[in-house]
Order: sequence, then C-alpha cells, then structure tokens
Amino acid sequence: GQQLNQSPQSMFIQEGEDVSMNCTSSSIFNTWLWYKQDPGEGPVLLIALYKAGELTSNGRLTAQFGTTRKDSFLNISASIPSDVGIYFCAGQYGGSNYKLTFGKGTLLTVNP
Amino acid sequence: KAGVTQTPRYLIKTRGQQVTLSCSPISGHRSVSWYQQTPGQGLQFLFEYFSETQRNKGNFPGRFSGRQFSNSRSEMNVSTLELGDSALYLCASSPSPGANTGELFFGEGSRLTVL
Repeated sequence: GQQLNQSPQSMFIQEGEDVSMNCTSSSIFNTWLWYKQDPGEGPVLLIALYKAGELTSNGRLTAQFGTTRKDSFLNISASIPSDVGIYFCAGQYGGSNYKLTFGKGTLLTVNP
Repeated sequence: KAGVTQTPRYLIKTRGQQVTLSCSPISGHRSVSWYQQTPGQGLQFLFEYFSETQRNKGNFPGRFSGRQFSNSRSEMNVSTLELGDSALYLCASSPSPGANTGELFFGEGSRLTVL
C-alpha cells in the first residue's frame, strides 16, 4: 500500500528560527495536505495543495506540492512558541478513494 | 458552528471486552472517517462512511467495525479488545464527496486504554 516517509521525526529549535520538513511517497498523490496537532486536540488543516508544482502560503507557513507528485515540503518561518505541536503530511489519491494516507508526523519543540 | 464531537473522551477496558465509540459530525457534513493514532504507527485509516454506507476501509481486522446513522452520526466498535488496540481514535467529518478537497475536520478523539 501507499506509504509516506516524513522527516525529520522531531525538531528542537529556538524561537525565531525557520523550520523545514518534508514528506516523500512511494506512489503519486493528487492532493497533498499538511495538518497540525496540538496536545489533546485533533489535527487541524494548515495548507492544502492540489496541483503539482503548486506553492501555497498561509501566514508564516509555506508548502509545496512536488513536481513528481511524490513529495511535499512545509516551511515555517520565524517560529514562535505556539508553533509547538505535531505536524503531519497527508496524501490523497482522489477519484473514488477519499481516504487520506498520513505521515508519522514531525514533533516540533520551540524554545522561547 | 459546533465542531466534531466524540464520546467518550477517555475509557479503560480489559482484554476481551468490546467498546463502542461515538462521533457527531459538524452539522451539514455527511462524510465521517475514523482513524487510529498510536505513537509508533501515526494516523492509520480505519473506514469512511457517507450516507450510511461504508465507502472505504483500511487494513484493520474484522474486529473493527462501524456504522453511520441517517443523521450522519457514526459509531465504531472494537470487539475482543487486545492490548495493541490502545490508541487515540479520531473521528473526522467532511462535506459531501462532490466537494471533497481532502480537508477533514477532526474531533478531539477518544483515548482507549486496554489493560
């Protein structure tokens, strides 16, 4: 089945630093999404990407849909303490298959 | 607008027992998905329902089952619980499949501990 490799598994950074994380897949996806999960909460959608090569921003967050359709990247600029949480990439093939395949997450810790 | 509501939030069961978890989607959302979250495996897709029909199913044993009611509320059941079933079970809702964008609205989850 489809698998997503998300890296890094965890990051410990200083407030103000930029962050990069990525996901690669063994097969193509038609949609890439990035979710964030705060402690005790369910994941919340940050950015959705629907076209190969697409670059989309949401405030300090920028994500890209890789041209091969097998990867995606998320960058966070000028990190702040509230960026702490687990970031998940997710891929959706589409068509009649609506399920999402999630990466295992990147745990981000921001030191004030 | 109320979010996705899951009950119970926490529960403890023993091996061999069964459990039923409930999910009320966002009003107007007709699709409900269930995911199992564990530290080692991350988020694993269980199944997805739309209009009371299971449309997709993940790679879980038959002990895991679900259903959806006419008001879009959904339940999932796990029978003959095993230690490895300890996890956070997340429910997510989304609008009709015609507008499917991959965006899921998650509840806070039901944390199941199996002793």
